[in-house]
Amino acid sequence: GAVVSQHPSRVICKSGTSVKIECRSLDFQATTMFWYRQFPKQSLMLMATSNEGSKATYEQGVEKDKFLINHASLTLSTLTVTSAHPEDSSFYICSARDGRGGKDTQYFGPGTRLTVL
Amino acid sequence: GESVGLHLPTLSVQEGDNSIINCAYSNSASDYFIWYKQESGKGPQFIIDIRSNMDKRQGQRVTVLLNKTVKHLSLQIAATQPGDSAVYFCAENMGNYGGSQGNLIFGKGTKLSVKP
Repeated sequence: GAVVSQHPSRVICKSGTSVKIECRSLDFQATTMFWYRQFPKQSLMLMATSNEGSKATYEQGVEKDKFLINHASLTLSTLTVTSAHPEDSSFYICSARDGRGGKDTQYFGPGTRLTVL
Repeated sequence: GESVGLHLPTLSVQEGDNSIINCAYSNSASDYFIWYKQESGKGPQFIIDIRSNMDKRQGQRVTVLLNKTVKHLSLQIAATQPGDSAVYFCAENMGNYGGSQGNLIFGKGTKLSVKP
């Protein structure tokens, strides 16, 4: 398999502040990474697709100015939640697309638990 | 719209028994399927995958079956152990179909509980 890391694993912040979450592919290069949001006892909801060197593609209903995505290298994508509010509290998970061997598998990071007070 | 769904939201099995988790998909253009295991508070963990040109694939204690005729996917876990307790998601990948960038469409998830 492939290893994807996320940092931080959990963060607590005050309302109105911004939080940055990093997603790294440790043993492979990922031209595409994905950011998901997951509410308790629910499935993963795709927020945006992050492509190295280009703008991210956001899913319908996801505010691009609130959830800033940067994919500056083939191993790093960042998600910044700007002016966070309590309703942004959630479990954020990234994945990295591994196209080696002709497959198209996504490997997931361990997730980041965001709590906005 | 098209989506991936699960027949059973919860499944309780006895330790040592075999488990079968089912998934129905509706997108005939999907050509790659993946099963993930998610433990509480963690990210999804890749278990096994299968391409649409196959109908069965085996891993260590796990088998994935694909029936394209009825658009059905299943995950079989042999000799289920307490450590298998988790939520299992199926996901379909349409590759580059319809402009997709390899996005995964996830099912709702099935919670597997293993009784000792």
